[in-house]
Amino acid sequence: DTGVSQNPRHKITKRGQNVTFRCDPISEHNRLYWYRQTLGQGPEFLTYFQNEAQLEKSRLLSDRFSAERPKGSFSTLEIQRTEQGDSAMYLCASSLAQFGEAFFGQGTRLTVV
Amino acid sequence: QKEVEQNSGPLSVPEGAIASLNCTYSDRGSQSFFWYRQYSGKSPELIMSIYSNGDKEDGRFTAQLNKASQYVSLLIRDSQPSDSATYLCAVNNYGQNFVFGPGTRLSVLP
Repeated sequence: DTGVSQNPRHKITKRGQNVTFRCDPISEHNRLYWYRQTLGQGPEFLTYFQNEAQLEKSRLLSDRFSAERPKGSFSTLEIQRTEQGDSAMYLCASSLAQFGEAFFGQGTRLTVV
Repeated sequence: QKEVEQNSGPLSVPEGAIASLNCTYSDRGSQSFFWYRQYSGKSPELIMSIYSNGDKEDGRFTAQLNKASQYVSLLIRDSQPSDSATYLCAVNNYGQNFVFGPGTRLSVLP
C-alpha cells in the first residue's frame, strides 16, 4: 500500500488558465476528500465522495471548481479561470469508512501568477 | 462562529517536558476526533484518533476526550525537537466531512 498519491506536486499557472489535479486514494478506501489550505490556516473542506457519488460540496466553493471520481477510484479536481486567490495547497485524503481515520496525500501546491 | 477552535500558539516547551495541546468544538453531535501533525510545507500526518470519552495512549502521545465539555486534548510526553510542528485538531460530524481547527504551532526547545 503506497498511501494517497497526488499529482502534480507543484503547479504554476497564469491567471485565467484552467488546471486539473489528480488524487489516487488508498485502494480499499471508499471515501475521498478534497481540502484547500493556505498559510497559517487549517485545511478548508471543499468536497467529498463516497465511491463515485459526490455527497457534499462546500458552499464556499465557486462554480469554477469541479471534482469527479469516475468509477469510484481516482479523483480529479479542476479549477477553471484561475485567480490569484486560488493559490494554496490542495490536499486529498481518503478513509475506509464514514467515521474512520483519513489519510492525506502529499498535496499539490498551486501558484497562480 | 468557528466549529473547531485551537490556540494558534506558538506553544514553547523545553525538551523532555510535557506539551499540552487543546481543542474545543461546537457541534454536540460530533462523533470522532483526530489529531494531525503538520511540518512546514508538508501535508497533515495522522497521529491519534479517539471516539469515546476518556484517555487513549499511543507511545508518547495521549489523547483525551470529554464530550460533555466538548473538549479534546493531546499530551506529548518527553517532548523532542522533532515534535516541533503544527498540530491540527479535526472533528468528524455525523459521518460527513472532517472539520479542522486552525492548528497550534508547537516549538520544542533543545
